[in-house]
Amino acid sequence: AQTVTQSQPEMSVQEAETVTLSCTYDTSESDYYLFWYKQPPSRQMILVIRQEAYKQQNATENRFSVNFQKAAKSFSLKISDSQLGDAAMYFCAYRVGGDDKIIFGKGTRLHILP
Amino acid sequence: AAGVIQSPRHLIKEKRETATLKCYPIPRHDTVYWYQQGPGQDPQFLISFYEKMQSDKGSIPDRFSAQQFSDYHSELNMSSLELGDSALYFCASSLGRGTSEYEQYFGPGTRLTVT
Repeated sequence: AQTVTQSQPEMSVQEAETVTLSCTYDTSESDYYLFWYKQPPSRQMILVIRQEAYKQQNATENRFSVNFQKAAKSFSLKISDSQLGDAAMYFCAYRVGGDDKIIFGKGTRLHILP
Repeated sequence: AAGVIQSPRHLIKEKRETATLKCYPIPRHDTVYWYQQGPGQDPQFLISFYEKMQSDKGSIPDRFSAQQFSDYHSELNMSSLELGDSALYFCASSLGRGTSEYEQYFGPGTRLTVT
């Protein structure tokens, strides 16, 4: 079964500091995609970053970067220079290439301390 | 840039009533997906449509049905509503499917409350 596990239900970080959110997944597929979605209080689902499994290079988007360890099936999100607007629920997610369904983890609620 | 539009944004219904949620995909997008997010839960895939045909089905109750119309908008019909149907319902759209490179763009969601 394909599963996504986020072991940290909640995390806090001081403004301007760096924080890493953990995610592991289980799959037997070779063609898949991994995502981090942000869900602020507005409940909008916002794609933060996307990683293709066939790419060895870790994806980066401004202050957001991932550490993709394919053999370990680990996909962590690093947020640098944390800002108050980063406070949200963060979902790690997975999709098999060509499939419709995105499978989400349970989420990590990130608090930013001023 | 145009985004996915969902209507209504909020809906309150009583038990055993019927609800219809609408989704208007990004222009030129031909694939629509529905997800349900219960309170404090992660989103769960319900159903998807490609070129007006159902393409995949997830954990959608038999009381729910959906379709995609010729203009690619989609409607999720929910009958005999139960308290447990209270959730945020997301629609997402993409340009194509079945290839590895397509991406799903989420709408703002419809919050359904069943009393």
